[in-house]
Amino acid sequence: DAGVIQSPRHEVTEMGQEVTLRCKPISGHNSLFWYRQTMMRGLELLIYFNNNVPIDDSGMPEDRFSAKMPNASFSTLKIQPSEPRDSAVYFCASSLWGANTEAFFGQGTRLTVV
Amino acid sequence: AQKVTQAQTEISVVEKEDVTLDCVYETRDTTYYLFWYKQPPSGELVFLIRRNSFDEQNEISGRYSWNFQKSTSSFNFTITASQVVDSAVYFCALSEAGNTDKLIFGTGTRLQVFP
Repeated sequence: DAGVIQSPRHEVTEMGQEVTLRCKPISGHNSLFWYRQTMMRGLELLIYFNNNVPIDDSGMPEDRFSAKMPNASFSTLKIQPSEPRDSAVYFCASSLWGANTEAFFGQGTRLTVV
Repeated sequence: AQKVTQAQTEISVVEKEDVTLDCVYETRDTTYYLFWYKQPPSGELVFLIRRNSFDEQNEISGRYSWNFQKSTSSFNFTITASQVVDSAVYFCALSEAGNTDKLIFGTGTRLQVFP
């Protein structure tokens, strides 16, 4: 398996633009997580899905952030409109639900909003 | 509430020294899972170990060892004979059985190993 695949790896955008981050989890995994990593706040869980259903989105910063998982092999995290404070590394991870197994992380998307 | 504390922000050692990274957790669940991840300078997060709350046996894997003590809610990580390649940020994490895989991370400890 190729592991968790995220795209793009790097994104630079102007304030006010819409940004969409993409994630393909490991095949067979049915939990998917979106994390954000910044120097100030460390690794924050934004939202996670079980079997494509959002279970906990309490970490989503505000309404500008939205996440979807239309099927078991694809998820998006959208920021609209983006702001400079959204600059961070966004990680997607997947695991086998219910087993509390380790989560496998993608390589992350480094987002810079100028 | 679910919480992980890594009080050591940064540790510097010289190669071949032993180093212990501390992790203290809080949970109300009786069944939970603890993890360590490594984030090297390249940025990816690499899984190192997973322990469940019913297994307090210490584990050793090469130069790595882990000491799980429920009495003090700690899950410490020791690197023996550290090497420059061990330089990374190390994260401790917790998930509760009743919280379906929600992984909460500590703030991480940056380890720098100098030659």
